[in-house]
Amino acid sequence: ETGVTQTPRHLVMGMTNKKSLKCEQHLGHNAMYWYKQSAKKPLELMFVYNFKEQTENNSVPSRFSPECPNSSHLFLHLHTLQPEDSALYLCASSHPGDSYEQYFGPGTRLTVT
Amino acid sequence: GENVEQHPSTLSVQEGDSAVIKCTYSDSASNYFPWYKQELGKGPQLIIDIRSNVGEKKDQRIAVTLNKTAKHFSLHITETQPEDSAVYFCAASTGNSGGSNYKLTFGKGTLLTVNP
Repeated sequence: ETGVTQTPRHLVMGMTNKKSLKCEQHLGHNAMYWYKQSAKKPLELMFVYNFKEQTENNSVPSRFSPECPNSSHLFLHLHTLQPEDSALYLCASSHPGDSYEQYFGPGTRLTVT
Repeated sequence: GENVEQHPSTLSVQEGDSAVIKCTYSDSASNYFPWYKQELGKGPQLIIDIRSNVGEKKDQRIAVTLNKTAKHFSLHITETQPEDSAVYFCAASTGNSGGSNYKLTFGKGTLLTVNP
Protein backbone atom coordinates (compact mmCIF):
# COMPACT_ATOMS: atom_id res chain seq x y z
CA GLU A 1 0.00 0.00 0.00
CA THR A 2 1.25 3.47 -0.88
CA GLY A 3 -0.66 5.39 1.79
CA VAL A 4 -3.06 6.83 -0.78
CA THR A 5 -6.57 5.39 -0.85
CA GLN A 6 -9.32 5.96 -3.38
CA THR A 7 -13.03 5.18 -3.27
CA PRO A 8 -14.94 3.79 -4.94
CA ARG A 9 -12.66 1.40 -6.84
CA HIS A 10 -15.25 0.90 -9.56
CA LEU A 11 -18.07 3.18 -10.69
CA VAL A 12 -20.65 2.87 -13.43
CA MET A 13 -22.74 5.94 -14.08
CA GLY A 14 -25.15 7.25 -16.67
CA MET A 15 -24.54 10.47 -18.54
CA THR A 16 -27.12 12.32 -16.46
CA ASN A 17 -25.84 11.17 -13.07
CA LYS A 18 -23.81 13.09 -10.53
CA LYS A 19 -21.16 11.22 -8.58
CA SER A 20 -17.97 11.95 -6.66
CA LEU A 21 -14.60 10.26 -6.41
CA LYS A 22 -12.70 10.46 -3.15
CA CYS A 23 -9.00 10.34 -2.42
CA GLU A 24 -7.30 10.32 0.97
CA GLN A 25 -3.61 10.32 1.74
CA HIS A 26 -2.02 9.36 5.05
CA LEU A 27 1.50 10.49 4.23
CA GLY A 28 1.49 14.06 5.51
CA HIS A 29 1.89 15.40 1.98
CA ASN A 30 0.84 18.88 0.92
CA ALA A 31 0.26 18.42 -2.80
CA MET A 32 -2.43 16.26 -4.39
CA TYR A 33 -3.12 15.43 -8.01
CA TRP A 34 -5.84 13.98 -10.24
CA TYR A 35 -4.77 12.06 -13.33
CA LYS A 36 -6.80 10.39 -16.08
CA GLN A 37 -5.47 7.12 -17.50
CA SER A 38 -6.95 5.94 -20.79
CA ALA A 39 -5.85 2.93 -22.81
CA LYS A 40 -2.79 3.50 -24.99
CA LYS A 41 -2.37 7.11 -23.85
CA PRO A 42 0.04 8.68 -21.39
CA LEU A 43 -1.29 9.57 -17.96
CA GLU A 44 -2.96 12.95 -18.29
CA LEU A 45 -2.61 15.41 -15.45
CA MET A 46 -5.97 17.00 -14.69
CA PHE A 47 -5.62 19.07 -11.53
CA VAL A 48 -3.01 19.92 -8.93
CA TYR A 49 -3.62 21.21 -5.42
CA ASN A 50 -0.80 22.61 -3.33
CA PHE A 51 -1.61 23.39 0.30
CA LYS A 52 -5.34 23.15 -0.61
CA GLU A 53 -5.00 25.74 -3.38
CA GLN A 54 -5.54 24.72 -6.97
CA THR A 55 -2.34 25.44 -8.86
CA GLU A 56 -3.04 23.64 -12.10
CA ASN A 57 -6.08 22.99 -14.24
CA ASN A 58 -4.96 21.27 -17.37
CA SER A 59 -7.80 22.48 -19.62
CA VAL A 60 -10.21 20.00 -18.07
CA PRO A 61 -13.91 20.28 -19.07
CA SER A 62 -16.16 21.83 -16.44
CA ARG A 63 -18.09 18.57 -16.05
CA PHE A 64 -15.14 17.59 -13.81
CA SER A 65 -15.03 19.67 -10.64
CA PRO A 66 -12.29 19.12 -8.05
CA GLU A 67 -12.46 19.95 -4.37
CA CYS A 68 -9.69 19.91 -1.78
CA PRO A 69 -11.08 20.66 1.70
CA ASN A 70 -7.75 19.93 3.40
CA SER A 71 -4.30 18.61 2.55
CA SER A 72 -5.34 15.00 3.19
CA HIS A 73 -8.51 14.81 1.10
CA LEU A 74 -9.26 15.36 -2.55
CA PHE A 75 -12.53 14.93 -4.39
CA LEU A 76 -13.50 14.86 -8.04
CA HIS A 77 -17.15 15.70 -8.62
CA LEU A 78 -18.60 14.37 -11.84
CA HIS A 79 -21.73 15.47 -13.70
CA THR A 80 -23.16 15.01 -17.19
CA LEU A 81 -20.17 12.95 -18.30
CA GLN A 82 -19.68 11.51 -21.77
CA PRO A 83 -18.80 7.90 -22.69
CA GLU A 84 -15.29 9.06 -23.69
CA ASP A 85 -14.74 10.04 -20.05
CA SER A 86 -14.61 6.34 -19.17
CA ALA A 87 -11.11 5.72 -17.82
CA LEU A 88 -9.08 4.98 -14.72
CA TYR A 89 -8.88 8.06 -12.51
CA LEU A 90 -5.78 8.16 -10.36
CA CYS A 91 -5.04 10.30 -7.37
CA ALA A 92 -1.48 11.04 -6.27
CA SER A 93 0.20 13.03 -3.53
CA SER A 94 3.64 14.43 -2.91
CA HIS A 95 5.59 16.58 -0.50
CA PRO A 96 6.72 19.47 -2.65
CA GLY A 97 9.50 20.66 -0.37
CA ASP A 98 12.48 18.44 -1.19
CA SER A 99 10.92 15.48 -2.89
CA TYR A 100 9.66 15.18 -6.43
CA GLU A 101 8.19 11.75 -5.72
CA GLN A 102 4.50 11.25 -6.36
CA TYR A 103 2.68 8.40 -4.67
CA PHE A 104 -0.36 7.03 -6.46
CA GLY A 105 -3.56 5.47 -5.20
CA PRO A 106 -5.08 2.37 -6.84
CA GLY A 107 -7.47 4.39 -8.97
CA THR A 108 -11.20 4.43 -9.65
CA ARG A 109 -12.29 2.58 -12.79
CA LEU A 110 -15.08 4.77 -14.20
CA THR A 111 -17.49 3.59 -16.88
CA VAL A 112 -19.96 6.08 -18.36
CA THR A 113 -22.94 4.48 -20.06
CA GLY B 1 5.58 21.93 -23.13
CA GLU B 2 7.43 18.74 -22.35
CA ASN B 3 6.97 15.69 -24.59
CA VAL B 4 8.11 12.22 -23.55
CA GLU B 5 8.42 9.36 -26.03
CA GLN B 6 8.76 5.78 -24.77
CA HIS B 7 9.82 2.63 -26.63
CA PRO B 8 9.02 -0.15 -27.09
CA SER B 9 5.30 -0.27 -26.36
CA THR B 10 5.51 -4.00 -25.68
CA LEU B 11 8.47 -6.15 -24.69
CA SER B 12 8.58 -9.90 -24.16
CA VAL B 13 11.63 -11.58 -22.61
CA GLN B 14 12.55 -14.96 -21.19
CA GLU B 15 13.02 -15.27 -17.46
CA GLY B 16 16.60 -14.46 -16.57
CA ASP B 17 17.17 -12.21 -19.57
CA SER B 18 17.63 -8.45 -19.37
CA ALA B 19 15.03 -5.88 -20.41
CA VAL B 20 15.70 -2.32 -21.55
CA ILE B 21 13.10 0.42 -21.98
CA LYS B 22 14.07 3.76 -23.49
CA CYS B 23 12.60 7.24 -23.23
CA THR B 24 13.39 10.57 -24.83
CA TYR B 25 12.29 13.99 -23.66
CA SER B 26 12.09 17.36 -25.34
CA ASP B 27 12.53 19.98 -22.62
CA SER B 28 16.19 20.51 -21.80
CA ALA B 29 15.12 22.06 -18.47
CA SER B 30 13.81 18.70 -17.22
CA ASN B 31 15.84 17.56 -14.24
CA TYR B 32 13.94 14.69 -12.65
CA PHE B 33 13.20 11.34 -14.31
CA PRO B 34 11.19 8.71 -12.42
CA TRP B 35 10.15 5.25 -13.53
CA TYR B 36 6.87 3.74 -12.42
CA LYS B 37 5.64 0.15 -12.47
CA GLN B 38 1.92 -0.51 -12.75
CA GLU B 39 0.53 -3.95 -12.06
CA LEU B 40 -2.97 -4.97 -13.06
CA GLY B 41 -5.60 -3.34 -10.88
CA LYS B 42 -3.11 -1.09 -9.10
CA GLY B 43 -1.86 2.44 -9.39
CA PRO B 44 1.65 3.24 -10.65
CA GLN B 45 4.38 2.62 -8.10
CA LEU B 46 7.69 4.47 -8.16
CA ILE B 47 10.53 1.98 -8.60
CA ILE B 48 13.55 4.17 -9.29
CA ASP B 49 14.31 7.76 -10.21
CA ILE B 50 17.27 9.83 -11.29
CA ARG B 51 18.08 13.50 -11.11
CA SER B 52 19.97 15.43 -13.74
CA ASN B 53 23.18 15.71 -11.75
CA VAL B 54 23.67 11.93 -11.93
CA GLY B 55 24.34 9.77 -15.00
CA GLU B 56 23.43 6.40 -13.59
CA LYS B 57 21.66 4.93 -10.58
CA LYS B 58 21.27 1.32 -9.56
CA ASP B 59 19.05 -0.49 -7.10
CA GLN B 60 19.58 -4.26 -7.04
CA ARG B 61 18.35 -5.59 -10.42
CA ILE B 62 17.12 -2.21 -11.64
CA ALA B 63 19.24 0.57 -13.07
CA VAL B 64 18.52 3.84 -14.83
CA THR B 65 20.87 5.76 -17.09
CA LEU B 66 20.55 9.37 -18.19
CA ASN B 67 22.16 11.13 -21.14
CA LYS B 68 21.33 14.83 -20.80
CA THR B 69 23.09 15.80 -24.00
CA ALA B 70 20.99 13.42 -26.06
CA LYS B 71 17.93 13.93 -23.82
CA HIS B 72 17.26 10.29 -23.28
CA PHE B 73 17.10 7.94 -20.32
CA SER B 74 16.68 4.20 -20.01
CA LEU B 75 15.50 1.59 -17.55
CA HIS B 76 17.50 -1.63 -17.31
CA ILE B 77 16.16 -4.71 -15.54
CA THR B 78 18.57 -7.63 -15.19
CA GLU B 79 17.79 -11.25 -14.33
CA THR B 80 14.11 -10.70 -15.05
CA GLN B 81 11.51 -12.66 -13.13
CA PRO B 82 7.83 -13.35 -13.91
CA GLU B 83 6.81 -10.90 -11.18
CA ASP B 84 8.53 -8.14 -13.17
CA SER B 85 5.69 -8.44 -15.71
CA ALA B 86 3.80 -5.15 -15.63
CA VAL B 87 3.43 -1.85 -17.47
CA TYR B 88 6.38 0.49 -16.96
CA PHE B 89 6.10 4.26 -17.38
CA CYS B 90 8.85 6.81 -17.65
CA ALA B 91 8.27 10.45 -16.80
CA ALA B 92 10.10 13.75 -16.83
CA SER B 93 9.75 16.91 -14.79
CA THR B 94 11.33 20.33 -14.72
CA GLY B 95 10.48 20.47 -11.04
CA ASN B 96 10.09 23.66 -9.02
CA SER B 97 11.93 24.58 -5.90
CA GLY B 98 10.59 26.47 -2.93
CA GLY B 99 7.60 24.30 -2.13
CA SER B 100 5.81 24.41 -5.46
CA ASN B 101 4.32 21.38 -7.17
CA TYR B 102 6.13 19.10 -9.57
CA LYS B 103 4.45 18.42 -12.90
CA LEU B 104 5.27 15.03 -14.37
CA THR B 105 4.93 14.31 -18.09
CA PHE B 106 4.57 10.59 -18.72
CA GLY B 107 5.43 8.31 -21.61
CA LYS B 108 2.76 5.99 -23.00
CA GLY B 109 4.06 2.95 -21.16
CA THR B 110 5.72 -0.37 -21.99
CA LEU B 111 3.99 -3.67 -21.33
CA LEU B 112 6.74 -6.02 -20.17
CA THR B 113 6.03 -9.75 -20.20
CA VAL B 114 8.54 -12.11 -18.62
CA ASN B 115 7.98 -15.66 -19.80
CA PRO B 116 8.90 -18.46 -17.36
